Amino acid sequence: AQSVTQLDSHVSVSEGTPVLLRCNYSSSYSPSLFWYVQHPNKGLQLLLKYTSAATLVKGINGFEAEFKKSETSFHLTKPSAHMSDAAEYFCVVSLNRDDKIIFGKGTRLHILP
Amino acid sequence: GAGVSQSPRYKVAKRGQDVALRCDPISGHVSLFWYQQALGQGPEFLTYFQNEAQLDKSGLPSDRFFAERPEGSVSTLKIQRTQQEDSAVYLCASSFDRVSYEQYFGPGTRLTVT
Repeated sequence: AQSVTQLDSHVSVSEGTPVLLRCNYSSSYSPSLFWYVQHPNKGLQLLLKYTSAATLVKGINGFEAEFKKSETSFHLTKPSAHMSDAAEYFCVVSLNRDDKIIFGKGTRLHILP
Repeated sequence: GAGVSQSPRYKVAKRGQDVALRCDPISGHVSLFWYQQALGQGPEFLTYFQNEAQLDKSGLPSDRFFAERPEGSVSTLKIQRTQQEDSAVYLCASSFDRVSYEQYFGPGTRLTVT
């Protein structure tokens, strides 16, 4: 069975400081992994995806994530937070043999001025 | 270009009423997904279509939930005899094909059952 765990339900960082949102996954097969962002009253937007190519994936808005198989992790990072980054972030795993995707419970990112 | 659209954006239903939620996917997208997102939770899979075929409905919580996509484009999620626990945001997503796994989400329909 596949699952995804987001280790923090809330993360607060000051504007201009680095962001780290943690995600661990469990999958019996080679997974595809995604990060989505959800701003209030807006649809989910894909930030980046890993599909067994380069382990360091660059996404939109300066975000990136590194796939670490040995740690079963896919943490999301950004060097310098911006106020507009305040939103809910979801780590998502997809089993390559299945079209179903599994969402984590989400991490709400707060940006302090 | 046009993204995934859903209507209505908000729906209030009295317990026991039937509701129908509509999803217009991106034109040409083969796959269509429905998710249920309860307050403070991540979206949970309900059902999946490839063209008009419903290939997976394992996430539908009860037989009161029914989804269709008769012509392989627009989809409707119907909930019969709504209950308070059905209150949630219902999200629709589409993708170009089953290989890309990149799903494009609509804004959702917020259903409140009173």
